[in-house]
Amino acid sequence: SQKIEQNSEALNIQEGKTATLTCNYTNYSPAYLQWYRQDPGRGPVFLLLIRENEKEKRKERLKVTFDTTLKQSLFHITASQPADSATYLCAPDLYSSASKIIFGSGTRLSIRP
Amino acid sequence: NAGVTQTPKFQVLKTGQSMTLQCAQDMNHEYMSWYRQDPGMGLRLIHYSVGAGITDQGEVPNGYNVSRSTTEDFPLRLLSAAPSQTSVYFCASSVTAAGANVLTFGAGSRLTVL
Repeated sequence: SQKIEQNSEALNIQEGKTATLTCNYTNYSPAYLQWYRQDPGRGPVFLLLIRENEKEKRKERLKVTFDTTLKQSLFHITASQPADSATYLCAPDLYSSASKIIFGSGTRLSIRP
Repeated sequence: NAGVTQTPKFQVLKTGQSMTLQCAQDMNHEYMSWYRQDPGMGLRLIHYSVGAGITDQGEVPNGYNVSRSTTEDFPLRLLSAAPSQTSVYFCASSVTAAGANVLTFGAGSRLTVL
């Protein structure tokens, strides 16, 4: 069955450093992969999407990579700030049309001043 | 635009009671879905719909019913609530753009079953 794994333990990073979160998937080949941010008590919010033919995608301080050979995506936040503290969820998706969108369990990121 | 609206925000039920969680979106999105989120479990897909009149099961559909009579609304029904259904429920919608679906989530509904 399809499986999505994210760092189960919380990640604690010093402000200003680069935070790197991992998303691994098995038993399927997604056409694209999304990353979402979730703050406590709120619904997830879309951040970035990367397609299978793209190696890297950037948006401001965010960078996502997608390695279809390793079946892995890395999510980087450079020059991290305390406001970046949140849970980050990845969602690889199989199809180009609407389908089941399954999420990883998320990684809680804490940026300390 | 209101986006995705979920009601109620909080609900307490007794075991065996029934209720409906409401979800409405005003973005004319074709795709709607329901997730539940438990501590340490991430988001698990309950049911989803790719358009009015079409629904399908997700990862954890047992104990839940859905229907999609209009594009705007996608209610989630618990016919006989159980303590295992205590969770935070999120509704989401999306439209396929450039071959991908980006989800817009509601604020969530926190359900406690005693």
